[in-house]
Amino acid sequence: KAGVTQTPRYLIKTRGQQVTLSCSPISGHRSVSWYQQTPGQGLQFLFEYFSETQRNKGNFPGRFSGRQFSNSRSEMNVSTLELGDSALYLCASSLWGHGSTDTQYFGPGTRLTVL
Amino acid sequence: TQLLEQSPQFLSIQEGENLTVYCNSSSVFSSLQWYRQEPGEGPVLLVTVVTGGEVKKLKRLTFQFGDARKDSSLHITAAQPGDTGLYLCAGEGDGGTSYGKLTFGQGTILTVHP
Repeated sequence: KAGVTQTPRYLIKTRGQQVTLSCSPISGHRSVSWYQQTPGQGLQFLFEYFSETQRNKGNFPGRFSGRQFSNSRSEMNVSTLELGDSALYLCASSLWGHGSTDTQYFGPGTRLTVL
Repeated sequence: TQLLEQSPQFLSIQEGENLTVYCNSSSVFSSLQWYRQEPGEGPVLLVTVVTGGEVKKLKRLTFQFGDARKDSSLHITAAQPGDTGLYLCAGEGDGGTSYGKLTFGQGTILTVHP
């Protein structure tokens, strides 16, 4: 079974631009979660989508948004990029997004650098 | 807001030594996961503990969940250079708003020298 894939793997943008990251979950998984990882803050939850609906959201500004398509693939968008948005963005997929037996499997991440 | 305090932040040891990483919180978690992350890759799940007091062993790794489901530990026996990496604990909340959300500790960077 193929794992979680994320594209692109690396991105360089400048302040003020916007960016879209893509995540393809494991086949059959309907929940996709997004996390931001930085050296200072560690891994922080951005949001979760299930069946094209956002069910949960972390404490990030409205510049961070996402969506999920009917095939469970997900995208996240960051508008008006700031230097502090430089991070590794990870997506994780699971069957239901909830429950102790429902494991989250992570993709390799997209490394975003904002200049 | 649920928080997980992970310690120590850094560990540098010699091959063959034992070590323990701790993960503590004032909140109750319905489950707690331990992940290992290599540079340039996403976290890979090592184990999930669910029941208070639960102990799980994975070869030289022993994981324990506290009785109150607020804390956990990872013990590695006879560490090897291949154990080098970032170890992360993550908890799933004990409530209906935890959909798809794991709360992560800050991580422990382990370096095992040959």
